[in-house]
Amino acid sequence: SQTIHQWPATLVQPVGSPLSLECTVEGTSNPNLYWYRQAAGRGLQLLFYSIGIDQISSEVPQNLSASRPQDRQFILSSKKLLLSDSGFYLCAWSVGSGGDTQYFGPGTRLTVL
Amino acid sequence: LAKTTQPISMDSYEGQEVNITCSHNNIATNDYITWYQQFPSQGPRFIIQGYKTKVTNEVASLFIPADRKSSTLSLPRVSLSDTAVYYCLVRSYNTDKLIFGTGTRLQVFP
Repeated sequence: SQTIHQWPATLVQPVGSPLSLECTVEGTSNPNLYWYRQAAGRGLQLLFYSIGIDQISSEVPQNLSASRPQDRQFILSSKKLLLSDSGFYLCAWSVGSGGDTQYFGPGTRLTVL
Repeated sequence: LAKTTQPISMDSYEGQEVNITCSHNNIATNDYITWYQQFPSQGPRFIIQGYKTKVTNEVASLFIPADRKSSTLSLPRVSLSDTAVYYCLVRSYNTDKLIFGTGTRLQVFP
């Protein structure tokens, strides 16, 4: 069966520090991968999605970037965090195109102080 | 720009049927409508998916009118554990982007 992992589960970082969040998927090949951010009490905002290695689309211009060094690994990064980067970061995967159901990871709670 | 809107919140009592509607007036022609459930500090969980008319599974039903400009998630006989936020997900006809609805916070009372 397929599983998706995210780490760390929680993170507290100072403003201006770098960020690296990792997501890995097991049990499937060539998944579509997604990064979402959810501010406190708000809906989900799609940040990046990827249909393959080194194929990444950015949905929202900001100080975050994403990379996919391996088929089932998706990394969210920042060189300098802002206060507004605080939130709940969710990774998701799907297969196929059109009508693809997304399956979400457990999330990373990021607090920028 | 496509908008996907839902009621902000709904209240219900245990044992009642709850219907949550999502308006998506600019949905892609050939794409599905998906609903998710999210508990605090957890990732959203898939509930049900459909393309048109009615779909039913062991936890919910999904009603989609012919024009597909809206969809209604129906939860039969809710329990306290159904207290959560519910999101619809559609693909925009204009931008081909996946768009989550604004989310509906369902509170079930005993």
